[in-house]
Amino acid sequence: GESVGLHLPTLSVQEGDNSIINCAYSNSASDYFIWYKQESGKGPQFIIDIRSNMDKRQGQRVTVLLNKTVKHLSLQIAATQPGDSAVYFCAENSGGFKTIFGAGTRLFVKA
Amino acid sequence: DGGITQSPKYLFRKEGQNVTLSCEQNLNHDAMYWYRQDPGQGLRLIYYSQIVNDFQKGDIAEGYSVSREKKESFPLTVTSAQKNPTAFYLCASSIGGGGPVTQYFGPGTRLL
Repeated sequence: GESVGLHLPTLSVQEGDNSIINCAYSNSASDYFIWYKQESGKGPQFIIDIRSNMDKRQGQRVTVLLNKTVKHLSLQIAATQPGDSAVYFCAENSGGFKTIFGAGTRLFVKA
Repeated sequence: DGGITQSPKYLFRKEGQNVTLSCEQNLNHDAMYWYRQDPGQGLRLIYYSQIVNDFQKGDIAEGYSVSREKKESFPLTVTSAQKNPTAFYLCASSIGGGGPVTQYFGPGTRLL
């Protein structure tokens, strides 16, 4: 059958602009969400996390927004830089050791 | 300098051969995990271990085996029963406990 996810969603932004990467999650019971950044040929790197009792959390140049009503998560990167070019994926956890990872979005930053 | 290391970075496997991927962590984490990543796809869980001498199958355990004899080490063996082993393999670790946990990843091993 067709293998979905071979062609990652792609976002292309100009250097200095803000980036918004979206993620839809599936499990209403998930109460912990994480964003990871993965550069080519490397392991995923933790960026920021948020618990389900929060709507927004800010880090350095990044903000995560959580909308539990529509099961939607977004990662905002301010003043995007060339070094931000990578695949970004969200992960959801409903407690315990099982974490579900999304397929990811590829971010291209144009100089 | 704490972290997770994986070796080798690249590994060539001959048909019918078993190969073992190494994963070591010095973060004092109780839990460790193995994931497989195929091009353009998310991570799929192969095995995880919550504590020494204990491990559980993930979603795609067939053709793989693990051991957890030491807290710091969680090697993965890709056996000849795994018919499509070519992928990027990622090891991760996290603290233990019953609440949600953040997993931290190693640099990966590409199996060819």
